[in-house]
Amino acid sequence: DSGVTQTPKHLITATGQRVTLRCSPRSGDLSVYWYQQSLDQGLQFLIQYYNGEERAKGNILERFSAQQFPDLHSELNLSSLELGDSALYFCASSVAGGTSTDTQYFGPGTRLTVL
Amino acid sequence: GQQLNQSPQSMFIQEGEDVSMNCTSSSIFNTWLWYKQDPGEGPVLLIALYKAGELTSNGRLTAQFGITRKDSFLNISASIPSDVGIYFCAGHNYGQNFVFGPGTRLSVLP
Repeated sequence: DSGVTQTPKHLITATGQRVTLRCSPRSGDLSVYWYQQSLDQGLQFLIQYYNGEERAKGNILERFSAQQFPDLHSELNLSSLELGDSALYFCASSVAGGTSTDTQYFGPGTRLTVL
Repeated sequence: GQQLNQSPQSMFIQEGEDVSMNCTSSSIFNTWLWYKQDPGEGPVLLIALYKAGELTSNGRLTAQFGITRKDSFLNISASIPSDVGIYFCAGHNYGQNFVFGPGTRLSVLP
């Protein structure tokens, strides 16, 4: 158990809908990262938050948005869903508190299926 | 931007064989991480390396931080069926984002 939790585990929805994925980082971690992994593909970095503020952006679509709340949990919002958005979405967390020896831990993921 | 290459892309081995895979970069990293991902699950951290030349073991797994800081190696000894999965490497520098490789897919034949 990495200490990173994600809900829900599975999500099935229709095209055009909007969903919210939730992530709670490990205790003490200030950074949250979101990744998308399509079938048999690598990890595509979407966005990073550090202590409530956006720190880095990757290949995140305009239809997607995220935020990190004061209690450090994060939500990834996906709107106007398309079939191609079906994928595993992972959250990861790290301390990112100034140490050079930062390590990232992943949650179990949310499997999104868009029908 | 920074990119990592992993080789081989995939490999099929017999149970009991040793496995070697590597990760290379055109840029220097101060941290190298190795993860294993089972189908449908989140990547699990196997080994973290923080110092050039460092050699670290975790059971049957051994990883090394390349002396040039541009590469890392992962070895698995006496492979077993549960070693099947995708192995990802990641590099990190202070203040920068983590960079992940495309993964090495390992299949173990009984």
